[in-house]
Amino acid sequence: DGGITQSPKYLFRKEGQNVTLSCEQNLNHDAMYWYRQDPGQGLRLIYYSQIVNDFQKGDIAEGYSVSREKKESFPLTVTSAQKNPTAFYLCASSIGTAPSAEQYFGPGTRLTVT
Amino acid sequence: AQSVTQLGSHVSVSEGALVLLRCNYSSSVPPYLFWYVQYPNQGLQLLLKYTSAATLVKGINGFEAEFKKSETSFHLTKPSAHMSDAAEYFCAVSVSEVGNEKLTFGTGTRLTIIP
Repeated sequence: DGGITQSPKYLFRKEGQNVTLSCEQNLNHDAMYWYRQDPGQGLRLIYYSQIVNDFQKGDIAEGYSVSREKKESFPLTVTSAQKNPTAFYLCASSIGTAPSAEQYFGPGTRLTVT
Repeated sequence: AQSVTQLGSHVSVSEGALVLLRCNYSSSVPPYLFWYVQYPNQGLQLLLKYTSAATLVKGINGFEAEFKKSETSFHLTKPSAHMSDAAEYFCAVSVSEVGNEKLTFGTGTRLTIIP
C-alpha cells in the first residue's frame, strides 16, 4: 500500500534536547511538507521541499530544521531553540506544488516536551 | 496573501439532519479550495476540492460544497448526518502565484453528531 509513515506516534523529550521526527513516503511524490497543529489554530506550515536537496521555510520555521537527501524521506528536527515545541506534527506530500495538487497526510507524531 | 475563515469552531447536529460547515475565503487571484477531514489523532484526508471546473463539487462520504464567488464562500454540506461524520473539518485555500505555493488552512470546525 502506498502512503506516508510517521514515527513514532508519541514522543516525549526533556526541555533542551533536540529531537528528530521521521517522515517517509512511497508515493513517488516530489513535494513534501511539515505542519504543526495546535488546538484551535489549524495547521501551520513549518518547512516544505519541492525536490531532493532543496527546501524552503514556511510560516513558522524558527527553531526547526529539515533535510531532504532522498526523495522518500523528509525528517524534521525540533531544536532546543523552539520555544514551545509541544504539539501535533503532520507530514504531507504531493505530486508537485501546483496549487490544485492534493496533499496526502501521514498519521502524525504527538511531541510532548517537559 | 490568501486566507480562509471557518465560522463556528464547534457544530452539533442530530443524526439524520443537514450538516452545514461554513468557509469564507480571501484571495486577490482565483483560488483553489479544499475541504479536509481529520479523525481524532490521525492525519487529514481530502474530502473534495474546487479547481474552477464546476462550482458544485461532490466529494467522498456524501459531502459536497459549492463555490460562490460573489459571497467568497465554499460551504460544506451533507444532507443527512451519520455518526461516523463526527470529526474535525478544515477548509484550505491555495493560489497560482510564483513563490506562494502553499496551502493555507482555516482553524477548523469540530462536528459532533447527536444520536
